[in-house]
Amino acid sequence: SQQGEEDPQALSIQEGENATMNCSYKTSINNLQWYRQNSGRGLVHLILIRSNEREKHSGRLRVTLDTSKKSSSLLITASRAADTASYFCATDKGAAGNKLTFGGGTRVLVKP
Amino acid sequence: ETGVTQSPTHLIKTRGQQVTLRCSSQSGHNTVSWYQQALGQGPQFIFQYYREEENGRGNFPPRFSGLQFPNYSSELNVNALELDDSALYLCASSFEGADTQYFGPGTRLTVL
Repeated sequence: SQQGEEDPQALSIQEGENATMNCSYKTSINNLQWYRQNSGRGLVHLILIRSNEREKHSGRLRVTLDTSKKSSSLLITASRAADTASYFCATDKGAAGNKLTFGGGTRVLVKP
Repeated sequence: ETGVTQSPTHLIKTRGQQVTLRCSSQSGHNTVSWYQQALGQGPQFIFQYYREEENGRGNFPPRFSGLQFPNYSSELNVNALELDDSALYLCASSFEGADTQYFGPGTRLTVL
C-alpha cells in the first residue's frame, strides 16, 4: 500500500510559470523526500526534508513540511520544458534501514 | 547518472516462468533496496538487503526473493510469474545510515 496521496495527479503549465504539488501521508515520519522520474525510467533524488524542518530550498525547488497536517508541498519556480516529468514524494519512517514509501505521483507537463 | 546499473533493460516472459533481475550498486554502498512500479503508480518497496542479509520486506509473496553478493551487487528473483508482475523494477543503493537512495534506470518486465 502507498503511504501518501499526491495532488494534483497531473499539472500542465507554461514555461516560466511556477508548479506546485502537494503530498499527504498517514503515519509519523523521520524524513520526507521528493524524487523526479522521466518517462518511466529511474528516479532522481531532488530534496530531503527532515521531520524537524519546516522549509528547505535547493536551486529552483522549495519544499515545505507540516507534520501536524502530515503534508508537504514542492514548488518549482520558473519552470522549464526540461522539468516535464513525474514527481513523487517518499516518506521514511526511520526504522532500521531506510525503506521508502511512495505516493502516487504528480505528472507535470511544462509547455514551451 | 547515479552509478547504479541494472540489467536487462527490458524483458518479456510468459506466465509461470521465472526471472532474475540484476543490480550493481554505487561504489561503496552496502545497502540495496528493490521496488516494483506498476504503470501509472508510485514505486512499492519489495525488500532490502544489507551486508548480504535481508533487512526488511514489503507486502510481497515469497515467490519474490533476493540475493546480495559480497561485492554488494544484487539479484531479484521472481518465480511463477503472474500477469500482474508486469512492471518496472527499480533497485536503489545507499550506504548504511544514509537517508538518500540512488536509483538505477530500472528493468521493465512484461509478463504475457
